Amino acid sequence: QQQVKQSPQSLIVQKGGIPIINCAYENTAFDYFPWYQQFPGKGPALLIAIRPDVSEKKEGRFTISFNKSAKQFSLHIMDSQPGDSATYFCAVNDGNTGKLIFGQGTTLQVKP
Amino acid sequence: SQTIHQWPATLVQPVGSPLSLECTVEGTSNPNLYWYRQAAGRGLQLLFYSVGIGQISSEVPQNLSASRPQDRQFILSSKKLLLSDSGFYLCAWSVQGSSGNTIYFGEGSWLTVV
Repeated sequence: QQQVKQSPQSLIVQKGGIPIINCAYENTAFDYFPWYQQFPGKGPALLIAIRPDVSEKKEGRFTISFNKSAKQFSLHIMDSQPGDSATYFCAVNDGNTGKLIFGQGTTLQVKP
Repeated sequence: SQTIHQWPATLVQPVGSPLSLECTVEGTSNPNLYWYRQAAGRGLQLLFYSVGIGQISSEVPQNLSASRPQDRQFILSSKKLLLSDSGFYLCAWSVQGSSGNTIYFGEGSWLTVV
């Protein structure tokens, strides 16, 4: 059973566009929601993260929007650049077990 | 600052041969340690995690095993590789007892079983 569902699987935008990646979860025990960025052949790296007591967090061009009642959170990339082309993973932390559960990933391509 | 080292970076092994991937973390003590596998450039599957020396939890039944002989050393092994063991293997660590549980990944090891 997939505990976190990520969509879309792939995404293509033009430079300057605002790609949006969505994740949905069911378990209310999840208490921490990070996003990871992975370039080809590299390990994923933490991009930005949010806790459920806030509805939005911005770090540079990256924004997480969090809807606790809907059990959804999303990543927005403002003024996207070709260098943002990568695979993005959402994740949820299970507060009961301490384990981080990843979504299936979204491959983003930003065209020049 | 903390760093994580993982090797070898690439490996081509015949079916039935043994495997040993090694990972070490520097700059922290008593970390949680993890092995993930990423198949076909997609999702991250947790294989093993460890909260201390000699303490290993397996997440999925498989042809692999893990060991933690020292506090900051984590080893992924197999006695006989299968074709299905091919993939991108990632070692990772997190701070023990931290709320939020940010995981930091190594650079990964590409394993091709032929």
